[in-house]
Amino acid sequence: GAVVSQHPSWVICKSGTSVKIECRSLDFQATTMFWYRQFPKQSLMLMATSNEGSKATYEQGVEKDKFLINHASLTLSTLTVTSAHPEDSSFYICSASPTGTGANVLTFGAGSRLTVL
Amino acid sequence: GNSVTQMEGPVTLSEEAFLTINCTYTATGYPSLFWYVQYPGEGLQLLLKATKADDKGSNKGFEATYRKETTSFHLEKGSVQVSDSAVYFCALAYSGAGSYQLTFGKGTKLSVIP
Repeated sequence: GAVVSQHPSWVICKSGTSVKIECRSLDFQATTMFWYRQFPKQSLMLMATSNEGSKATYEQGVEKDKFLINHASLTLSTLTVTSAHPEDSSFYICSASPTGTGANVLTFGAGSRLTVL
Repeated sequence: GNSVTQMEGPVTLSEEAFLTINCTYTATGYPSLFWYVQYPGEGLQLLLKATKADDKGSNKGFEATYRKETTSFHLEKGSVQVSDSAVYFCALAYSGAGSYQLTFGKGTKLSVIP
Protein backbone atom coordinates (compact mmCIF):
# COMPACT_ATOMS: atom_id res chain seq x y z
CA GLY A 1 0.00 0.00 0.00
CA ALA A 2 0.89 3.66 -0.17
CA VAL A 3 3.48 4.78 2.38
CA VAL A 4 4.35 8.28 3.51
CA SER A 5 7.53 8.71 5.49
CA GLN A 6 8.37 11.65 7.72
CA HIS A 7 11.79 12.55 9.05
CA PRO A 8 12.79 13.22 11.73
CA SER A 9 10.20 11.56 13.92
CA TRP A 10 11.23 13.81 16.78
CA VAL A 11 13.54 16.77 17.17
CA ILE A 12 14.59 19.04 20.00
CA CYS A 13 16.07 22.42 19.18
CA LYS A 14 17.03 25.67 20.83
CA SER A 15 14.90 28.76 20.53
CA GLY A 16 15.85 30.83 17.51
CA THR A 17 17.08 27.97 15.36
CA SER A 18 15.38 26.55 12.25
CA VAL A 19 14.20 23.00 11.83
CA LYS A 20 13.41 21.15 8.61
CA ILE A 21 10.93 18.28 8.47
CA GLU A 22 10.71 16.04 5.40
CA CYS A 23 7.67 14.27 4.03
CA ARG A 24 8.22 11.62 1.36
CA SER A 25 5.80 9.49 -0.60
CA LEU A 26 7.71 6.23 -0.94
CA ASP A 27 5.82 4.35 -3.63
CA PHE A 28 3.67 6.90 -5.40
CA GLN A 29 3.84 10.38 -6.82
CA ALA A 30 1.95 13.16 -5.13
CA THR A 31 1.39 16.50 -6.80
CA THR A 32 -0.16 17.73 -3.59
CA MET A 33 0.80 17.09 0.02
CA PHE A 34 -0.71 18.49 3.18
CA TRP A 35 0.84 19.68 6.42
CA TYR A 36 -1.06 19.52 9.68
CA ARG A 37 -0.32 20.58 13.21
CA GLN A 38 -1.64 18.68 16.18
CA PHE A 39 -1.70 20.11 19.70
CA PRO A 40 -2.16 17.84 22.73
CA LYS A 41 -5.78 16.72 23.01
CA GLN A 42 -6.62 18.75 19.94
CA SER A 43 -7.59 17.96 16.41
CA LEU A 44 -5.31 18.05 13.42
CA MET A 45 -5.34 21.53 12.00
CA LEU A 46 -4.49 21.95 8.35
CA MET A 47 -1.61 24.39 8.03
CA ALA A 48 -0.96 24.42 4.32
CA THR A 49 -1.32 22.61 1.04
CA SER A 50 1.99 21.92 -0.64
CA ASN A 51 1.94 21.97 -4.44
CA GLU A 52 4.75 20.48 -6.50
CA GLY A 53 6.48 23.13 -8.54
CA SER A 54 4.52 26.06 -7.17
CA LYS A 55 3.92 28.00 -3.99
CA ALA A 56 2.17 26.42 -1.06
CA THR A 57 -1.32 27.52 -0.11
CA TYR A 58 -1.50 28.50 3.54
CA GLU A 59 -4.56 28.38 5.78
CA GLN A 60 -5.73 31.54 7.42
CA GLY A 61 -3.66 32.43 10.45
CA VAL A 62 -0.61 30.41 9.44
CA GLU A 63 2.51 32.54 8.97
CA LYS A 64 4.04 31.66 5.62
CA ASP A 65 7.36 33.26 6.57
CA LYS A 66 7.46 31.21 9.72
CA PHE A 67 6.55 27.87 8.17
CA LEU A 68 8.36 27.56 4.87
CA ILE A 69 7.14 24.81 2.58
CA ASN A 70 9.01 23.51 -0.42
CA HIS A 71 7.63 20.81 -2.72
CA ALA A 72 10.57 20.34 -5.04
CA SER A 73 9.63 16.95 -6.47
CA LEU A 74 6.63 14.67 -6.83
CA THR A 75 7.75 12.62 -3.84
CA LEU A 76 9.13 15.17 -1.39
CA SER A 77 7.77 18.13 0.52
CA THR A 78 9.63 19.89 3.30
CA LEU A 79 8.40 22.07 6.14
CA THR A 80 10.93 24.42 7.71
CA VAL A 81 10.06 26.05 11.00
CA THR A 82 12.17 29.20 11.00
CA SER A 83 13.41 30.93 14.14
CA ALA A 84 11.56 28.41 16.25
CA HIS A 85 10.12 29.41 19.62
CA PRO A 86 8.66 27.28 22.42
CA GLU A 87 5.12 27.98 21.21
CA ASP A 88 6.03 26.22 17.95
CA SER A 89 6.45 22.98 19.87
CA SER A 90 3.91 20.61 18.44
CA PHE A 91 3.29 17.43 16.48
CA TYR A 92 3.51 18.03 12.74
CA ILE A 93 1.94 15.53 10.37
CA CYS A 94 1.94 15.36 6.59
CA SER A 95 -0.35 13.51 4.24
CA ALA A 96 -0.43 12.76 0.54
CA SER A 97 -2.43 10.88 -2.01
CA PRO A 98 -1.55 9.72 -5.51
CA THR A 99 -1.87 12.42 -8.12
CA GLY A 100 -5.41 12.64 -9.41
CA THR A 101 -7.09 10.93 -6.47
CA GLY A 102 -9.10 12.44 -3.65
CA ALA A 103 -9.47 12.39 0.10
CA ASN A 104 -10.50 8.75 0.06
CA VAL A 105 -6.92 7.62 -0.43
CA LEU A 106 -4.96 10.04 1.73
CA THR A 107 -2.00 8.43 3.46
CA PHE A 108 -0.55 10.03 6.56
CA GLY A 109 2.99 10.11 7.81
CA ALA A 110 3.78 9.04 11.36
CA GLY A 111 4.34 12.64 12.40
CA SER A 112 7.27 14.67 13.66
CA ARG A 113 7.32 15.89 17.23
CA LEU A 114 9.10 19.23 17.60
CA THR A 115 10.19 20.49 21.00
CA VAL A 116 11.69 23.96 21.18
CA LEU A 117 13.60 24.75 24.35
CA GLY B 1 -17.75 26.40 7.90
CA ASN B 2 -17.36 22.67 8.26
CA SER B 3 -16.76 21.15 11.66
CA VAL B 4 -16.66 17.77 13.37
CA THR B 5 -17.48 17.15 17.02
CA GLN B 6 -16.43 13.98 18.79
CA MET B 7 -17.12 12.78 22.27
CA GLU B 8 -14.45 13.73 24.77
CA GLY B 9 -12.07 11.05 25.90
CA PRO B 10 -10.34 9.22 27.22
CA VAL B 11 -12.54 6.17 27.06
CA THR B 12 -11.48 3.13 29.07
CA LEU B 13 -13.16 -0.21 28.46
CA SER B 14 -12.60 -3.78 29.48
CA GLU B 15 -11.81 -6.31 26.80
CA GLU B 16 -14.91 -7.59 24.95
CA ALA B 17 -16.96 -4.55 25.96
CA PHE B 18 -19.14 -2.68 23.46
CA LEU B 19 -17.72 0.53 22.06
CA THR B 20 -19.47 3.64 20.83
CA ILE B 21 -17.66 6.84 19.95
CA ASN B 22 -20.05 9.60 18.98
CA CYS B 23 -19.36 11.91 16.06
CA THR B 24 -21.54 14.67 14.66
CA TYR B 25 -20.75 17.09 11.90
CA THR B 26 -21.72 20.43 10.45
CA ALA B 27 -21.26 20.88 6.74
CA THR B 28 -22.94 22.17 3.65
CA GLY B 29 -23.81 19.78 0.89
CA TYR B 30 -22.96 16.12 1.04
CA PRO B 31 -19.54 15.38 2.47
CA SER B 32 -17.87 12.02 2.74
CA LEU B 33 -17.27 10.86 6.30
CA PHE B 34 -14.27 9.02 7.67
CA TRP B 35 -12.90 7.40 10.78
CA TYR B 36 -9.14 7.38 11.17
CA VAL B 37 -7.17 5.53 13.83
CA GLN B 38 -3.79 6.52 15.24
CA TYR B 39 -1.92 3.79 17.10
CA PRO B 40 0.83 4.88 19.52
CA GLY B 41 3.85 6.17 17.66
CA GLU B 42 2.24 5.76 14.23
CA GLY B 43 0.55 7.93 11.64
CA LEU B 44 -3.15 8.08 10.98
CA GLN B 45 -4.69 5.16 9.15
CA LEU B 46 -8.03 5.14 7.43
CA LEU B 47 -10.32 2.81 9.38
CA LEU B 48 -13.53 3.15 7.40
CA LYS B 49 -15.51 5.60 5.34
CA ALA B 50 -18.95 6.34 3.94
CA THR B 51 -19.62 8.54 0.97
CA LYS B 52 -23.38 9.05 1.05
CA ALA B 53 -26.36 9.02 3.36
CA ASP B 54 -27.30 5.64 4.87
CA ASP B 55 -24.01 4.08 3.77
CA LYS B 56 -22.37 1.90 6.37
CA GLY B 57 -18.59 1.75 6.53
CA SER B 58 -17.02 -1.27 8.18
CA ASN B 59 -13.57 -2.65 8.84
CA LYS B 60 -11.90 -4.83 11.49
CA GLY B 61 -15.19 -5.24 13.34
CA PHE B 62 -15.82 -1.49 13.49
CA GLU B 63 -18.90 0.02 11.89
CA ALA B 64 -20.32 3.49 11.33
CA THR B 65 -23.46 4.58 9.49
CA TYR B 66 -23.79 7.90 7.71
CA ARG B 67 -26.95 9.48 9.18
CA LYS B 68 -27.83 12.65 7.35
CA GLU B 69 -30.96 13.31 9.37
CA THR B 70 -28.94 13.47 12.58
CA THR B 71 -25.67 14.59 10.92
CA SER B 72 -23.90 11.77 12.73
CA PHE B 73 -21.35 9.06 12.03
CA HIS B 74 -20.96 7.18 15.29
CA LEU B 75 -18.27 4.51 15.51
CA GLU B 76 -19.22 1.16 17.05
CA LYS B 77 -17.60 -2.17 17.77
CA GLY B 78 -19.31 -5.07 19.45
CA SER B 79 -16.32 -6.49 21.31
CA VAL B 80 -13.15 -4.48 21.72
CA GLN B 81 -9.69 -5.95 22.13
CA VAL B 82 -6.57 -4.62 23.81
CA SER B 83 -5.08 -4.10 20.36
CA ASP B 84 -7.84 -1.55 19.62
CA SER B 85 -6.26 0.89 22.07
CA ALA B 86 -5.56 4.00 20.00
CA VAL B 87 -6.82 7.48 19.23
CA TYR B 88 -9.79 7.62 16.88
CA PHE B 89 -10.53 10.64 14.68
CA CYS B 90 -13.76 11.39 12.88
CA ALA B 91 -13.36 13.49 9.76
CA LEU B 92 -15.24 14.83 6.77
CA ALA B 93 -14.26 15.85 3.29
CA TYR B 94 -15.77 16.65 -0.01
CA SER B 95 -14.24 13.82 -1.99
CA GLY B 96 -13.24 13.62 -5.58
CA ALA B 97 -10.14 14.35 -7.58
CA GLY B 98 -8.69 17.59 -6.32
CA SER B 99 -10.92 17.72 -3.23
CA TYR B 100 -8.49 16.52 -0.62
CA GLN B 101 -9.04 18.58 2.46
CA LEU B 102 -10.14 16.83 5.58
CA THR B 103 -11.72 18.45 8.61
CA PHE B 104 -10.98 16.45 11.75
CA GLY B 105 -12.58 16.08 15.13
CA LYS B 106 -10.37 16.38 18.20
CA GLY B 107 -9.87 12.67 18.54
CA THR B 108 -10.97 10.22 21.20
CA LYS B 109 -8.42 8.14 23.03
CA LEU B 110 -9.52 4.57 23.68
CA SER B 111 -7.80 2.36 26.22
CA VAL B 112 -8.83 -1.28 26.44
CA ILE B 113 -7.74 -3.16 29.52
CA PRO B 114 -7.49 -6.95 29.80
